[in-house]
Amino acid sequence: QKEVEQNSGPLSVPEGAIASLNCTYSDRGSQSFFWYRQYSGKSPELIMFIYSNGDKEDGRFTAQLNKASQYVSLLIRDSQPSDSATYLCAGYSYNNNDMRFGAGTRLTVKP
Amino acid sequence: DAMVIQNPRYQVTQFGKPVTLSCSQTLNHNVMYWYQQKSSQAPKLLFHYYDKDFNNEADTPDNFQSRRPNTSFCFLDIRSPGLGDAAMYLCATSTTGGSGTQYFGPGTRLLVL
Repeated sequence: QKEVEQNSGPLSVPEGAIASLNCTYSDRGSQSFFWYRQYSGKSPELIMFIYSNGDKEDGRFTAQLNKASQYVSLLIRDSQPSDSATYLCAGYSYNNNDMRFGAGTRLTVKP
Repeated sequence: DAMVIQNPRYQVTQFGKPVTLSCSQTLNHNVMYWYQQKSSQAPKLLFHYYDKDFNNEADTPDNFQSRRPNTSFCFLDIRSPGLGDAAMYLCATSTTGGSGTQYFGPGTRLLVL
């Protein structure tokens, strides 16, 4: 049973638009949630993490967490072609030091 | 700059020929991980070390072994690579008591002929 689910995409948005990426998780023991960006053939790089319900903003990126609905999202404002990549969502449990990744959503930003 | 380094970046091996991938870190993190990632799939955790304590995932094949001789280095040994072991192998580190953030190395792309 998958523990972190993401729509595989591809999600296509025009340059300058808002890209919305979604993730659901099944393990209620997960306490922190991470968004990683992964370019083709490269390793994941951290965008941001969130552990409290609500929104967390960092530049053009906003992460949203709703623990009651077991839902995490990432909004990318003013999307740029350089944002075209696969975005991995991950949930982490402190109790057993366990990080579970989703398969990622592929985002394409068209100029 | 503090970082996670993986060598080699690309590795070609023959079916059944043992191969070793290496990872080193200058972050002084106490936890190190090995993941396997195939195309369009989530990174799959193979094992991790919490300091010197080895933690094996239940579904990691016996063909995969790991060594951590000191805090900075960790090795992944594939004893008899099969065609299905061709993948990107990712090393990551983290520190306990923090946010749980894992920092990834650049990965090693393994090709099995």
